[in-house]
Amino acid sequence: AQSVTQLGSHVSVSEGALVLLRCNYSSSVPPYLFWYVQYPNQGLQLLLKYTSAATLVKGINGFEAEFKKSETSFHLTKPSAHMSDAAEYFCAVSERGGSNYKLTFGKGTLLTVNP
Amino acid sequence: KAGVTQTPRYLIKTRGQQVTLSCSPISGHRSVSWYQQTPGQGLQFLFEYFSETQRNKGNFPGRFSGRQFSNSRSEMNVSTLELGDSALYLCASRYLAGGPSEQYFGPGTRLTVT
Repeated sequence: AQSVTQLGSHVSVSEGALVLLRCNYSSSVPPYLFWYVQYPNQGLQLLLKYTSAATLVKGINGFEAEFKKSETSFHLTKPSAHMSDAAEYFCAVSERGGSNYKLTFGKGTLLTVNP
Repeated sequence: KAGVTQTPRYLIKTRGQQVTLSCSPISGHRSVSWYQQTPGQGLQFLFEYFSETQRNKGNFPGRFSGRQFSNSRSEMNVSTLELGDSALYLCASRYLAGGPSEQYFGPGTRLTVT
């Protein structure tokens, strides 16, 4: 069964600092990988996805993530944090192949941005 | 194009009652999935419907059920509500049932069971 581990349930950075949110997956076959963001009282918004094209994936709002098969990781980064980035971030995986494309989510990382 | 809509946004029910939540997918999307979000368990997959057929089901008791209509709108029903069913229920739609097409989420229905 697939699983996702997000290291750090809470990350705090200063405005303008680098944002690094960690995600590791467990799967026998490299899955599809996603990062979602959730603002308070809202649903999930897709930031970016990895589907086996380029290993460095660029998403919305200046975020990007790099797929590293050897490390089974898909960490999310942003060079310079903005106050509006404060939210909860979820890493998710989906099986490759077959008919089961459900998303399995990590526990989430709450990002706080300090002025 | 309008996004995924869910109604109602907030709901308060009493233990033992049943509840029906509604989801309207993005126009043209034929796959609808449901997820439960709680502080303790996080985001968990409930089920997915495509062309009015349930394709996948998560590990939830039979009290949780769903259906999809010919216009792709979906409903989920929870019978005999328990306190632990209090959660944010999220609906997501996508164009295709298979492949890595992204899922678009609605704002959710927050269910409180007292």
